[in-house]
Amino acid sequence: AQSVAQPEDQVNVAEGNPLTVKCTYSVSGNPYLFWYVQYPNRGLQFLLKYITGDNLVKGSYGFEAEFNKSQTSFHLKKPSALVSDSALYFCAALNAGNNRKLIWGLGTSLAVNP
Amino acid sequence: GAGVSQTPSNKVTEKGKYVELRCDPISGHTALYWYRQSLGQGPEFLIYFQGTGAADDSGLPNDRFFAVRPEGSVSTLKIQRTERGDSAVYLCASSVDGMSYEQYFGPGTRLTVT
Repeated sequence: AQSVAQPEDQVNVAEGNPLTVKCTYSVSGNPYLFWYVQYPNRGLQFLLKYITGDNLVKGSYGFEAEFNKSQTSFHLKKPSALVSDSALYFCAALNAGNNRKLIWGLGTSLAVNP
Repeated sequence: GAGVSQTPSNKVTEKGKYVELRCDPISGHTALYWYRQSLGQGPEFLIYFQGTGAADDSGLPNDRFFAVRPEGSVSTLKIQRTERGDSAVYLCASSVDGMSYEQYFGPGTRLTVT
């Protein structure tokens, strides 16, 4: 079965430190990979996506993610965390050869401490 | 420009009642998606429209759930004979077309069945 795993329920980092939110996937074919962020009482917001090309993709708010095919990972990173980055982060995958149905991870709660 | 809007933002209904949830996508977006999100979970796919037609309704949990998009813009998710297990946040998303994998989400409708 196809799946997306986010192994950490919560990540805590100090403001100004680099952050990493982990994601691994199990999707047949060439996966399309996404990161979304959800702030309290707000809808999901698109951060970035990997479709093809450079393994390092840059997105909104200074976030980036690295696609690693051999490790089937797509970890989200930011060089210097802000308190305002505190939110719930979701990784998602899509088998482009199949349909438009996104497969979602369970989410990782990021807390950035001042 | 205006994002995806959903009404109502909150809906409380009694078990057994009928409810309708509305989604107004971004103008010009031909693809529309409905998801359901329970606390602590990632979004669960329900149905995907391309234009007026449902391209994939495999996520609808049973025949109490139905969705329409008669003019290819606004969509309504209809739930008959609601059950307490239907309580969740119902999310709507739209994308430019079925080949655009970047989905834009609305704020959701929180449905509570008492």
